[in-house]
Amino acid sequence: ETGVTQSPTHLIKTRGQQVTLRCSSQSGHNTVSWYQQALGQGPQFIFQYYREEENGRGNFPPRFSGLQFPNYSSELNVNALELDDSALYLCASSLSLAVQETQYFGPGTRLLVL
Amino acid sequence: AQRVTQPEKLLSVFKGAPVELKCNYSYSGSPELFWYVQYSRQRLQLLLRHISRESIKGFTADLNKGETSFHLKKPFAQEEDSAMYYCALNPAKGAQKLVFGQGTRLTINP
Repeated sequence: ETGVTQSPTHLIKTRGQQVTLRCSSQSGHNTVSWYQQALGQGPQFIFQYYREEENGRGNFPPRFSGLQFPNYSSELNVNALELDDSALYLCASSLSLAVQETQYFGPGTRLLVL
Repeated sequence: AQRVTQPEKLLSVFKGAPVELKCNYSYSGSPELFWYVQYSRQRLQLLLRHISRESIKGFTADLNKGETSFHLKKPFAQEEDSAMYYCALNPAKGAQKLVFGQGTRLTINP
């Protein structure tokens, strides 16, 4: 069984650019959630995808968008990057939406915006 | 608004001593609460959830609705317990939208 993988591991961008982060969910998992973790803070929920549809969104502007593909892998896109977007971006997958299902986290993508 | 507060950013105890990591939450409904742990150079992973009432690696956590707390406890700390601990709340039924606290870095001294 393969765990959650994310790519790239590190990324440096400049203000105003766009970025795409990728996540491969654990085998058999149809639900993917994205979180932003700023330095010294806990992860903050961005949005969740269930069977290719967005299923809830946190307090993030529309320039944060996502996709989920038929194989349940997912992308997080951020447009018009700002300095405050510098953070660790975590992806988590689970078997379903049920609360009792465990979310399995990936290693994260560290984004630095200059 | 839902909020999770972990008042201690750092906690240091000696091996064999009891450990208590504090977590307070604000939420108007019936919360689903979790503790996540991140060991050095590892990814974030679930430690335990209140709904299971389980004990993992000797840790337990009791939900106190009156005090809106979900403190994590272990009677005898071990060096391998050194890690970053996050308390989290899921406010949504039919979804998993975790609200995390800031985390507590626990260091167990030999």
